[in-house]
Amino acid sequence: DQQVKQNSPSLSVQEGRISILNCDYTNSMFDYFLWYKKYPAEGPTFLISISSIKDKNEDGRFTVFLNKSAKHLSLHIVPSQPGDSAVYFCAASAFDNDMRFGAGTRLTVKP
Amino acid sequence: EAQVTQNPRYLITVTGKKLTVTCSQNMNHEYMSWYRQDPGLGLRQIYYSMNVEVTDKGDVPEGYKVSRKEKRNFPLILESPSPNQTSLYFCASKITGFYNEQFFGPGTRLTVL
Repeated sequence: DQQVKQNSPSLSVQEGRISILNCDYTNSMFDYFLWYKKYPAEGPTFLISISSIKDKNEDGRFTVFLNKSAKHLSLHIVPSQPGDSAVYFCAASAFDNDMRFGAGTRLTVKP
Repeated sequence: EAQVTQNPRYLITVTGKKLTVTCSQNMNHEYMSWYRQDPGLGLRQIYYSMNVEVTDKGDVPEGYKVSRKEKRNFPLILESPSPNQTSLYFCASKITGFYNEQFFGPGTRLTVL
């Protein structure tokens, strides 16, 4: 039972354009949401997070939006760069020792 | 450099041959965990530990054991590996507390023949 879903396995965008990665969740108890980025042969690295009391969080080129009523969050990357090409995992947590991950979306940014 | 290390990075073994994947962190984190990553399923938690001598099952603990005798180390033990345990394994650690992100190791790719 996947409580966190990333329905797009892959996404391809042109350098300089916006990348939008989407994530849906089913558990209304989730209170903290994170995005991780993973390069080949490396472990995931933390990118950005948002708590349920906010609907937007920005960090440089990366912005995460949370729509609690729709149980949906998205990651916007503007402008996209070739170095952003990676697999992005969405994760959600309802309490401290529990974190649920989506299946990941492979982003390819073309020069 | 703050990091989580795992060894080995790659391992091919045969069914039934006991193996241990080591995990060590140098950030003095209380919390450590193990995940496996499989295509289409994302990362699923195997076991976690809130502190020394405190471990608990995650979502997919069957066929695995862990121990936490020291704060920095959290080995994953497969007593009798089977082909369905072929996967990519990640160890992670973090400061205890809800709004803290996990730091992941580089991964161990395990193949059980």
